[in-house]
Amino acid sequence: AQKITQTQPGMFVQEKEAVTLDCTYDTSDQSYGLFWYKQPSSGEMIFLIYQGSYDEQNATEGRYSLNFQKARKSANLVISASQLGDSAMYFCAMREPLGRGNTFGTGTKLQVIP
Amino acid sequence: DAGVIQSPRHEVTEMGQEVTLRCKPISGHDYLFWYRQTMMRGLELLIYFNNNVPIDDSGMPEDRFSAKMPNASFSTLKIQPSEPRDSAVYFCASSQRGATNEKLFFGSGTQLSVL
Repeated sequence: AQKITQTQPGMFVQEKEAVTLDCTYDTSDQSYGLFWYKQPSSGEMIFLIYQGSYDEQNATEGRYSLNFQKARKSANLVISASQLGDSAMYFCAMREPLGRGNTFGTGTKLQVIP
Repeated sequence: DAGVIQSPRHEVTEMGQEVTLRCKPISGHDYLFWYRQTMMRGLELLIYFNNNVPIDDSGMPEDRFSAKMPNASFSTLKIQPSEPRDSAVYFCASSQRGATNEKLFFGSGTQLSVL
């Protein structure tokens, strides 16, 4: 069975600073995909970034980058130049095989301080 | 595209009442998922459909929960009778197998409160 672990229940970061949110995963599959989703206080789930297990380069999407370390089974999210609007819950997830959706971690609540 | 549409946005009901949550997936998506989110258990997959057919309902907590997908553009999640412990946010999500990264597109969720 696949498992996602997020060990940081909450994080604080100063505005304009960078922050890293941790995620480790466990799977026996050779081919897999990792996602990060953002959930602001309004409640919707927003896709941020994706990393495939065979991708040779770390994924980047604007201010978001994914620090993928396959041997360590980690897929940390890095947010550069934090903004007040980045305050939200962040979920790491893994794609289940055969189209079964995603397995989610417990989330990290990020608060950006002015 | 309008995205995944869920209704109602909020539902407050009394214990014992029937509750029906509705979802319209993104056109062309062949997978539909119902998730439940609570503080205690996080995001749990309840059931998912492929081409309108239920594939795995092992996450449905009890027989009080049922889900249908009569066509490609509509799904319902029904709780009958509802109990206070069913209070949660229920998300519907859809995806397209074979699409780039097969990410999930979520609806806005239904905040259910059972009194």
